Amino acid sequence: EIVMTQSPATLSVSPGERATLSCRASQSVSSNLAWYQQKPGQAPRLLIYGASTRATGIPARFSGSGSGTEFTLTISSLQSEDFAVYYCQQYNNWPCFGPGTKVDIK
Amino acid sequence: EVQLVESGGGLVQPGGSLRLSCAASGFTFSSYEMNWVRQAPGKGLEWVSYISSSGSTIYYADSVKGRFTISRDNAKNSLYLQMNSLRAEDTAVYYCARVGRDGYNLFWYFDLWGRGTLVTVSS
Repeated sequence: EIVMTQSPATLSVSPGERATLSCRASQSVSSNLAWYQQKPGQAPRLLIYGASTRATGIPARFSGSGSGTEFTLTISSLQSEDFAVYYCQQYNNWPCFGPGTKVDIK
Repeated sequence: EVQLVESGGGLVQPGGSLRLSCAASGFTFSSYEMNWVRQAPGKGLEWVSYISSSGSTIYYADSVKGRFTISRDNAKNSLYLQMNSLRAEDTAVYYCARVGRDGYNLFWYFDLWGRGTLVTVSS
C-alpha cells in the first residue's frame, strides 16, 4: 500500500506571495501524481496531472514538479481565490490521496 | 454545461441501507469510466469504487467490499451506489467523480467531480 504525506499541514501566505506545497509517496509512483484544490463546501477541482501537466482552464501560476517519491505544487503569486486545501493523489497503484495542505491568509 | 449532480444522501441507522445517484450531463457519459470518492467530516479524500464505461469491470476499496455495489445506467446518464450494512465510519460526503487518464496507465486520476451528497450513519 502506498502512503501519501503532505507538508506542511497549514501554510500561511500573504496575497501575491509564492506558495510551495510538498507531497511525498512511501514508494515510487513515477510521474503518476495529481493535485487538487478544494474550497469549503465545494467539490475538489483537478489542477495538475502527470506531476506537471496543468488541467484544462488552470491558470499558469499553478505548476507541478517532481517524480518518484517527491513532488511539489507551486503557486507563483497567490490570489484571493487560491486560499483552499490542496490534495495530492497518486495513481501508480490504487488511487490514494494525501491528507492535504491548507493554504490560508497570513 | 459539463456537470455531475449527486443525490440520495441522508440520515440512516447503523446496519441500514441507502442508494446514492449521480446524474451526468454535458458529456457522453457512456464513454467514461466513473467512481465514487468519499470524504469524512473534516478529513481527507478516500476512493470508494470504480466502474468501467460499459459496467463490465468494477473495483472496490477494501473498506466497503461486500457491502457497497456500484452500477450505472448509460441510457439514463446515471451512476449509482447501493450501500448496505452501513457503519458509523461510512459517514461522509460522497462524490461522484469521472476518470481521467494519461498515457496507458492502469490507474487513474479524477478530472470532474460533483458537489457531493452527505451520508450520516447514526442512531
